[in-house]
Amino acid sequence: GESVGLHLPTLSVQEGDNSIINCAYSNSASDYFIWYKQESGKGPQFIIDIRSNMDKRQGQRVTVLLNKTVKHLSLQIAATQPGDSAVYFCAELSTGSGGYQKVTFGIGTKLQVIP
Amino acid sequence: GAVVSQHPSWVICKSGTSVKIECRSLDFQATTMFWYRQFPKQSLMLMATSNEGSKATYEQGVEKDKFLINHASLTLSTLTVTSAHPEDSSFYICSARQGGNQPQHFGDGTRLSIL
Repeated sequence: GESVGLHLPTLSVQEGDNSIINCAYSNSASDYFIWYKQESGKGPQFIIDIRSNMDKRQGQRVTVLLNKTVKHLSLQIAATQPGDSAVYFCAELSTGSGGYQKVTFGIGTKLQVIP
Repeated sequence: GAVVSQHPSWVICKSGTSVKIECRSLDFQATTMFWYRQFPKQSLMLMATSNEGSKATYEQGVEKDKFLINHASLTLSTLTVTSAHPEDSSFYICSARQGGNQPQHFGDGTRLSIL
């Protein structure tokens, strides 16, 4: 998905609670999805990925769920910490017009953790 | 591992100046590097894909004569913003990938401010 508008959706979560960040993707042919975390003034940092032959993948404190039927991706963060405050982007891998693979980023969600 | 270094991190210059940004993969050989542009509170927009030894592939709407990309080696790609103007002010981020099935690793971005 392409970015729209000037205001990122914001999710405010109490420290210690679980966070769920959602993302809708557009290309039904995409077979690889990634979640990135971007802190202010820095580049995106890889969190977790999932291929289309899976519907769930777990990492350390994070879980990604993929629902191909409705083209929906979610990132669950357990026991959210202040250091988790950042903007989170989902991204999908697709093939560009030149036959190369490229990553397309979603709009992003700003996660604010309340101490 | 998988560190991508971007330099400079911040540039302020006068309108009409050309600015070169470097992107280096420090501990791996990157067959493909990507250049993104990010406006405040928006997502990353892919500008071009750069393969070592060949011409970059630009996304629709990105002027190749304005944004010159050179991928001289497997560890270095440069983006030159020619005759920069205030509307070119943005956060430019590069990423590098070792192979087709490997995730992209991002640099920390370059904040370009044109006066």
